Amino acid sequence: LAKTTQPISMDSYEGQEVNITCSHNNIATNDYITWYQQFPSQGPRFIIQGYKTKVTNEVASLFIPADRKSSTLSLPRVSLSDTAVYYCLVGGNNRKLIWGLGTSLAVNP
Amino acid sequence: NAGVTQTPKFQVLKTGQSMTLQCAQDMNHNSMYWYRQDPGMGLRLIYYSASEGTTDKGEVPNGYNVSRLNKREFSLRLESAAPSQTSVYFCASSLQGHEQFFGPGTRLTVL
Repeated sequence: LAKTTQPISMDSYEGQEVNITCSHNNIATNDYITWYQQFPSQGPRFIIQGYKTKVTNEVASLFIPADRKSSTLSLPRVSLSDTAVYYCLVGGNNRKLIWGLGTSLAVNP
Repeated sequence: NAGVTQTPKFQVLKTGQSMTLQCAQDMNHNSMYWYRQDPGMGLRLIYYSASEGTTDKGEVPNGYNVSRLNKREFSLRLESAAPSQTSVYFCASSLQGHEQFFGPGTRLTVL
């Protein structure tokens, strides 16, 4: 089971780019890397998923180096509404995903 | 589409009581999951079902049972509730085991 390590918390300001890095040293060959966002009193919501190199969608980018032992979620020009907890998960057909404590992002005015 | 629905939204039990949490999804997903989340913590997987008719234990299965009634529904049962089971319970579903869609959660308090 692949365990992940993320910073417990981060602070930013509106309009800045935020990069959250996740370490997953024992990632398996068939594991994908997935990031979720969770607001208080809500279930997590999918942000982005990738296997290698770079993935970009309308809300974020995901950078994965060649060794895949880490990944970085990049949120461009954050706003106050991006204040949330962000979780990094690794897993594939193995359904036993391990959720860490996540990174609590605070975006200040 | 309603997505993933959970009932009830809130529940208070006394120690030793039993109850079933219901979950349904209308996205034709194969896989379904039950998680619990305690204050300040990440989610912990209780049970999951990779497909209709199959269930497997997750990280914290003790004290719980599940039933994959059909492709749409996946229920979680507490046979004899304990205060340690006070938590927020989330149900989720996914098509291929990747992107998971979550329900709104059930807030359970066991006195």
